[in-house]
Amino acid sequence: DADVTQTPRNRITKTGKRIMLECSQTKGHDRMYWYRQDPGLGLRLIYYSFDVKDINKGEISDGYSVSRQAQAKFSLSLESAIPNQTALYFCATSGTNGGEQYFGPGTRLTVT
Amino acid sequence: GENVEQHPSTLSVQEGDSAVIKCTYSDSASNYFPWYKQELGKRPQLIIDIRSNVGEKKDQRIAVTLNKTAKHFSLHITETQPEDSAVYFCAALDTGRRALTFGSGTRLQVQP
Repeated sequence: DADVTQTPRNRITKTGKRIMLECSQTKGHDRMYWYRQDPGLGLRLIYYSFDVKDINKGEISDGYSVSRQAQAKFSLSLESAIPNQTALYFCATSGTNGGEQYFGPGTRLTVT
Repeated sequence: GENVEQHPSTLSVQEGDSAVIKCTYSDSASNYFPWYKQELGKRPQLIIDIRSNVGEKKDQRIAVTLNKTAKHFSLHITETQPEDSAVYFCAALDTGRRALTFGSGTRLQVQP
């Protein structure tokens, strides 16, 4: 689904480095989400945003920050990466009434 | 917040058999329950969802049932095919966060 894109798709970084993952969408949705996926743990919500001025912490926000630069863009930052942040990160969007979420292709992040 | 438990974590069936995946949730006010399918190396995609005003919903070979009293819902796949092999996630709406909480996933393997 090219309507939700993520960059980069793969990233290897070192402990202590700052890294930003970017998400863009052309679906015109107000709501955007960041999840991380780890084997056996499913999809866990990091941060979510209902509009540019409404940003909320999810289940596992410690060590992460976000920026909603525009309706179409939602970035996730790791201020000082650590190895246990190695995971697959997904961005998703949904319409104003919630409902179906549309996921991006994912970013595989490795912290060494 | 919402807690969603999903069982089993892995499921292997013969082609043509049925598969059932079960989830329980904790937020009694939750009213939206989607199921997502994630094929290997791909993003999760919605396959079916149900709202709390109905007890069952079908779409061809897949169906979802909801028991609000017991706070559990299930995914049923009939006449399984090899292309049904994937990881399946249930989710429930956390009414406090107004965001989805996902189960830990079920890896379904359909043996030809």
